[in-house]
Amino acid sequence: GQQVMQIPQYQHVQEGEDFTTYCNSSTTLSNIQWYKQRPGGHPVFLIQLVKSGEVKKQKRLTFQFGEAKKNSSLHITATQTTDVGTYFCAGATDSWGKFQFGAGTQVVVTP
Amino acid sequence: GAVVSQHPSRVICKSGTSVKIECRSLDFQATTMFWYRQFPKQSLMLMATSNEGSKATYEQGVEKDKFLINHASLTLSTLTVTSAHPEDSSFYICSARDFGGRRYNEQFFGPGTRLTVL
Repeated sequence: GQQVMQIPQYQHVQEGEDFTTYCNSSTTLSNIQWYKQRPGGHPVFLIQLVKSGEVKKQKRLTFQFGEAKKNSSLHITATQTTDVGTYFCAGATDSWGKFQFGAGTQVVVTP
Repeated sequence: GAVVSQHPSRVICKSGTSVKIECRSLDFQATTMFWYRQFPKQSLMLMATSNEGSKATYEQGVEKDKFLINHASLTLSTLTVTSAHPEDSSFYICSARDFGGRRYNEQFFGPGTRLTVL
């Protein structure tokens, strides 16, 4: 079945540094979504990528969808303490289908 | 808009009892809701897809007789954990999709229910 793998599982970042989390699927995806879950909270939708090679930016966050639609990345520049949380990618193999979540990248930011 | 509520937020029960968790879409109609389970510091594991007016679709390895799902209306889905045991203790989260709206593919998550079975 479809598997979505995410690395790293844990990222310790100094405030002001950049970091990237990667998501890889065993199958070609129709679309991929990214979520952020703060400690003690529930996942909150960040973005959806649909097109091959798509790049979207949200302030300091840059999301990419691979050309083969099997991988994606989230890059955060100039990390702030508000970026603390776990970032999940979730991939679907069709537009109306269910999403398979990656294991998540837990981000800890040191001031 | 697109708010999903869950009730209760926390529940503690004795082993062998049943617990019902409600998931409501407050300002949109959700023809499909999803139920997830999340263990500490782990990812969300999809348990089942709940479709309004029809039987839920369970993921492999999820016992449908143990986790009863009812999606009786376009705004409410319930998950009942029957004969709960300590290993059922977990964080249960629902999500809903607003297929009628412009954000049809986005999942809106409820705040989750922390179940502890003693």
